[in-house]
Amino acid sequence: AQSVTQLGSHVSVSEGALVLLRCNYSSSVPPYLFWYVQYPNQGLQLLLKYTSAATLVKGINGFEAEFKKSETSFHLTKPSAHMSDAAEYFCAVTMNSGYSTLTFGKGTMLLVSP
Amino acid sequence: DAGVIQSPRHEVTEMGQEVTLRCKPISGHNSLFWYRQTMMRGLELLIYFNNNVPIDDSGMPEDRFSAKMPNASFSTLKIQPSEPRDSAVYFCASRPTDIGLEAFFGQGTRLTVV
Repeated sequence: AQSVTQLGSHVSVSEGALVLLRCNYSSSVPPYLFWYVQYPNQGLQLLLKYTSAATLVKGINGFEAEFKKSETSFHLTKPSAHMSDAAEYFCAVTMNSGYSTLTFGKGTMLLVSP
Repeated sequence: DAGVIQSPRHEVTEMGQEVTLRCKPISGHNSLFWYRQTMMRGLELLIYFNNNVPIDDSGMPEDRFSAKMPNASFSTLKIQPSEPRDSAVYFCASRPTDIGLEAFFGQGTRLTVV
């Protein structure tokens, strides 16, 4: 079985501050991990993904995430928040074996204040 | 490619009516997912197809829900009879053969049952 837990349904930061969105996973085999972003009234779009290559993954819009097997974590960070980063962020996991569904966390709403 | 195409974008129907949501996945993708998104429950996987065959339908709420994938380029999600608690945004997503690759989402169908 596979699952992800996102800590914090809402995170508030000031513009220019560090963004840290937390994701912990559970998987019985090596996982593939993803971060998606959803803007209002839109579908989900991929920010970045980990597929067992480099543990530090860089994505679009200045976001990056680090896969830490010892901590079963895949936290999303951005050094300096921009107003346009305000959106809902989802962590997702799929297993690197057989038929594997794509399981999402509950999502974290990022609020950015001026 | 036009991406994953869902129709309709919005659907308002009366309780008890049949509702059919449609999805055209990206050409060449062999996995297809249906998700339901609500404020209370977040993003829930309803059903997962691989090569047009349902692999995991454990998320389908009850017998009122059914999904089909008659060919690689089309899928439907049907609710009969619909109830107000079915009101949600329904997303379809498709993924290529390699499960390490990301799933691509459609824009969703916002269903309101009154």
